[in-house]
Amino acid sequence: QQPVQSPQAVILREGEDAVINCSSSKALYSVHWYRQKHGEAPVFLMILLKGGEQKGHEKISASFNEKKQQSSLYLTASQLSYSGTYFCGTEEDNNDMRFGAGTRLTVKP
Amino acid sequence: NAGVTQTPKFQVLKTGQSMTLQCAQDMNHNSMYWYRQDPGMGLRLIYYSASEGTTDKGEVPNGYNVSRLNKREFSLRLESAAPSQTSVYFCASSEFQNSPLHFGNGTRLTVT
Repeated sequence: QQPVQSPQAVILREGEDAVINCSSSKALYSVHWYRQKHGEAPVFLMILLKGGEQKGHEKISASFNEKKQQSSLYLTASQLSYSGTYFCGTEEDNNDMRFGAGTRLTVKP
Repeated sequence: NAGVTQTPKFQVLKTGQSMTLQCAQDMNHNSMYWYRQDPGMGLRLIYYSASEGTTDKGEVPNGYNVSRLNKREFSLRLESAAPSQTSVYFCASSEFQNSPLHFGNGTRLTVT
């Protein structure tokens, strides 16, 4: 089952902050976050594991609420390079990685 | 270090034709995946292979078959292409479960 992302799109000015949410109807083993630029492949940002371990990007943070089956990605002091589509991916207890429909982030000067 | 290599990059097929999309990774990863990406739909899992010798269906497997030829290679076959299979196809690999996915550059497939 695909996770649900919100918002679908967000427009920021450089330096502003954004939060992207991801939720699932099933118990999760891990949550992944990826960013995709137009015409390119998705690129890994972060993994949050059940039990609290977090691996990822130095300028982006995220949270994982296992009980609520939700994750949020926090982008602070956004830069023009942050523009792209952000996807969350969720795993249950197998290798079956499902992605949300994406959140399109546009950062303007 | 090439990472994940997909071939071809572009392909146009006529309805009913068959073809195989190739994917190879040189990172000694155990798990490999095939996704399709349609506008507004995100990435949808077609098939995955948790380890060499195993394959499992994802959320949209109908019309596709896969082969995990060895640890490096994971191919996706369309036996009888349909216009609904027009999409961008991404192959990905990961070292283990809960490791980052590394994506290839994609194959743009058009079925007329």
